[in-house]
Amino acid sequence: SYVLTQPRSVSVAPGKTATISCGGDTIGTKSVHWYQQKSGQAPILIISYNGDRPSGVPERFSGSNSGNTATLTIDRVEAGDGADYYCQVWDSTYDQIFGGGTKLTVV
Amino acid sequence: QITLKESGPTLVKPTQTLTRTCNLSGLSLNNRGEGVAWIRQPPGKALEWLALVYWDDDKYYRPSLKNRVTITKDTSKNQVVLKLTDVDPVDTATYFCAHGEGAGSWFFDYWGPGILVAVST
Repeated sequence: SYVLTQPRSVSVAPGKTATISCGGDTIGTKSVHWYQQKSGQAPILIISYNGDRPSGVPERFSGSNSGNTATLTIDRVEAGDGADYYCQVWDSTYDQIFGGGTKLTVV
Repeated sequence: QITLKESGPTLVKPTQTLTRTCNLSGLSLNNRGEGVAWIRQPPGKALEWLALVYWDDDKYYRPSLKNRVTITKDTSKNQVVLKLTDVDPVDTATYFCAHGEGAGSWFFDYWGPGILVAVST
């Protein structure tokens, strides 16, 4: 089965850059989507197709995907960016289409 | 404005069938290239997709749950229904419905708020 691996947690200081990885076998050949989920809320789509930002998502959020790793980058991190972040691919034959999630802490 | 909202019992006994209804507003279940999925999240854990129904009524299920889960859509009521049979306490989770779209790779751009469903005696 296909596995998407994310770090459990990432810490970053306000104003700095946060990077969250999503590892998977030849994930660079797939389209990766990213979600932000704040405590007690539904997830929000923040990146589609590796690097496209839906309307309303700040330009500080960007994505890339190559080889065995997709990456979400958040520039000039703000306190309000603290949340759980999930990567997602689509294949109906997979049990796991979401990564395990990364908790971003702004310290 | 597109909104989704889940409804259904929030407490289910073990071995019973869990039923969740997703009511959609602002979008049609007949739109080509779109669909609705059910995704759950056990307390403190990651998201798990369960099922997806396409605009053309094609259906896809999480392989490990395929024998227990059913998704159906009622276009006249603009509803999508999830049924999960023979539930166990491990099925306790917040169940979300989400609007999906994508060409070749589905993503979920609108989500319902989700409601925690507990499986317990």
